[in-house]
Amino acid sequence: SQQGEEDPQALSIQEGENATMNCSYKTSINNLQWYRQNSGRGLVHLILIRSNEREKHSGRLRVTLDTSKKSSSLLITASRAADTASYFCATDQLSSARQLTFGSGTQLTVLP
Amino acid sequence: SQTIHQWPATLVQPVGSPLSLECTVEGTSNPNLYWYRQAAGRGLQLLFYSVGIGQISSEVPQNLSASRPQDRQFILSSKKLLLSDSGFYLCAWSVYGTGYTFGSGTRLTVV
Repeated sequence: SQQGEEDPQALSIQEGENATMNCSYKTSINNLQWYRQNSGRGLVHLILIRSNEREKHSGRLRVTLDTSKKSSSLLITASRAADTASYFCATDQLSSARQLTFGSGTQLTVLP
Repeated sequence: SQTIHQWPATLVQPVGSPLSLECTVEGTSNPNLYWYRQAAGRGLQLLFYSVGIGQISSEVPQNLSASRPQDRQFILSSKKLLLSDSGFYLCAWSVYGTGYTFGSGTRLTVV
């Protein structure tokens, strides 16, 4: 069953703008991860944030985690056309620690 | 370096035919291995995972099976494909507590 739910389902912005995607989940987690998928390709791991962390940065990516609200956000700053892809959050749940449960994704389109 | 190979990239099979998709991992030992399926425009559904040779856990009842004959080899099979088996199949590996590394996927179309 789906654990993470991304919001919005689709997002279209201009190059140079920031893109924010949100993820909500239902059960307690060990960590939450964000992945990127270009059309018809495999997923690429972007960033992992542990349950005891609140914020993490990687290049132009900023991820926050609020375990009290069971939510996370992914911010991509100064977006580029090459950032166009689907972005998925995935949770490593305490109840099933060897597997990730993925959300349905946000389709991001960055217009040049 | 660690890599994952998944093949074939695309496959068109008739209903009732058998299926065998293979995934191999290089550069790591005793990885956790996973098979996911992705319907068009949707998230990933976990089908099988394995924490060691011969150890397979199934997440959903289905027409598919998985095997891990070697530490770094994971095979997804079916004896008779159904139309509903069409989808994008992804193999992945991980070491616990880290991110997953995915293969490039197999687009399966059952006709």
